[in-house]
Amino acid sequence: EAQVTQNPRYLITVTGKKLTVTCSQNMNHEYMSWYRQDPGLGLRQIYYSMNVEVTDKGDVPEGYKVSRKEKRNFPLILESPSPNQTSLYFCASKTGQRHTEAFFGQGTRLTVV
Amino acid sequence: QQPVQSPQAVILREGEDAVINCSSSKALYSVHWYRQKHGEAPVFLMILLKGGEQKGHEKISASFNEKKQQSSLYLTASQLSYSGTYFCGTEGSNDYKLSFGAGTTVTVRA
Repeated sequence: EAQVTQNPRYLITVTGKKLTVTCSQNMNHEYMSWYRQDPGLGLRQIYYSMNVEVTDKGDVPEGYKVSRKEKRNFPLILESPSPNQTSLYFCASKTGQRHTEAFFGQGTRLTVV
Repeated sequence: QQPVQSPQAVILREGEDAVINCSSSKALYSVHWYRQKHGEAPVFLMILLKGGEQKGHEKISASFNEKKQQSSLYLTASQLSYSGTYFCGTEGSNDYKLSFGAGTTVTVRA
């Protein structure tokens, strides 16, 4: 089954404790992206990647890191989480062509206390 | 930049129609539309490419005005299942970023 898998689904952590949210897709997609969803602000793009070793900033990259060492994986790293990073995070993937649909993971609800 | 959606929210009775608008300040290659049910991931509805192409999905259709960088989503004869948050996503003519708007929450009541 074609899917994008995120882990964990829920995470509560403390300020400053490094964490990684994993994202994996099984569709051989070139493009992968991370979004955060906050009430009233919609889906804001954090980082995206066009292919292995190619990443670029989205609209709200501050406080986040990503890596793309393998085509199927695109982890999101929070080196020193802060309460304002409490949010619902979605990973998405699509082919490298612009007119193709994006597939979303089930989301990760992160709470930083 | 994120595309701008309007309205923020709309409440409908079953059978009524609604229009959701999406506009961008940059030249667009394509516009995507997705629907998100509460507690779930966004799900793809349709893509429109530059050229003014209009597409449909059940009783949900959309248009894309390339010159104005605007798209509209039309919900016709709404059903209870149409409730959710609708997002437009845009891809620029000069980049491959897929950016989304703030969403429009649609509530359809019996």
